[in-house]
Amino acid sequence: EILMTQSPGTLSVSPGGRATLSCRASQGVATNLAWYQQKPGLPPRLLIYGASTRAAGIPARFSGSGSGTEFTLTISSLQSEDFAGYYCQQYNNWPPTFGQGTNLEIK
Amino acid sequence: QVQLVQSGTEVKKSGSSVKVSCKASGGSFRTYAINWVRQAPGQGLEWVGGIISFFGTPIYAQNFQGRVTINADESTSTAYMELTGLRFEDTAVYYCARGLTPNHYYHAMDVWGQGTTVTVSS
Repeated sequence: EILMTQSPGTLSVSPGGRATLSCRASQGVATNLAWYQQKPGLPPRLLIYGASTRAAGIPARFSGSGSGTEFTLTISSLQSEDFAGYYCQQYNNWPPTFGQGTNLEIK
Repeated sequence: QVQLVQSGTEVKKSGSSVKVSCKASGGSFRTYAINWVRQAPGQGLEWVGGIISFFGTPIYAQNFQGRVTINADESTSTAYMELTGLRFEDTAVYYCARGLTPNHYYHAMDVWGQGTTVTVSS
């Protein structure tokens, strides 16, 4: 099973600032990597798939990069609604696995 | 616009079983994977398994092999997940989620149900 490790666990950024979230895979997953946003009491929302392709309706301030074992989600010009939990997920190998999450909080 | 609607909250005794449903509407059902993902209180996301009704054969995470059964009814566009031998640690919100790309058992998941809370008590 591929282990996905996200860092940091909690990230404090000011509104209008830039957030950089990291995700590392224990073995290569090519670009078969997705990012999700989750707010309390709600299901996850797909942001990015294929490591860098924004899902339908996702604003351009969300961008993803990376391949192999190292991935990054960048959120530029943070809006109030962006403060939430974020998860990466690999779907290159069975079973699909998620990182433990990064909590993005207001500084 | 595809929508997934799940069955309601369940409270179960340890050792019993639970069956959760997920009804799809507004889009294709038979060639897209329906995945089940769970989230224990305050914890992260864990993939349980999935099914593509066109193929009929489900796949499961190793952690749940022997305890979980996933199936789908094409006539009603509904997927089901049954978990047996419930333990306190199975207390979680269980989500169904559609795979982004047809004919792939696991992929990114773009449409999610609202979640079903399953509470296991002694």
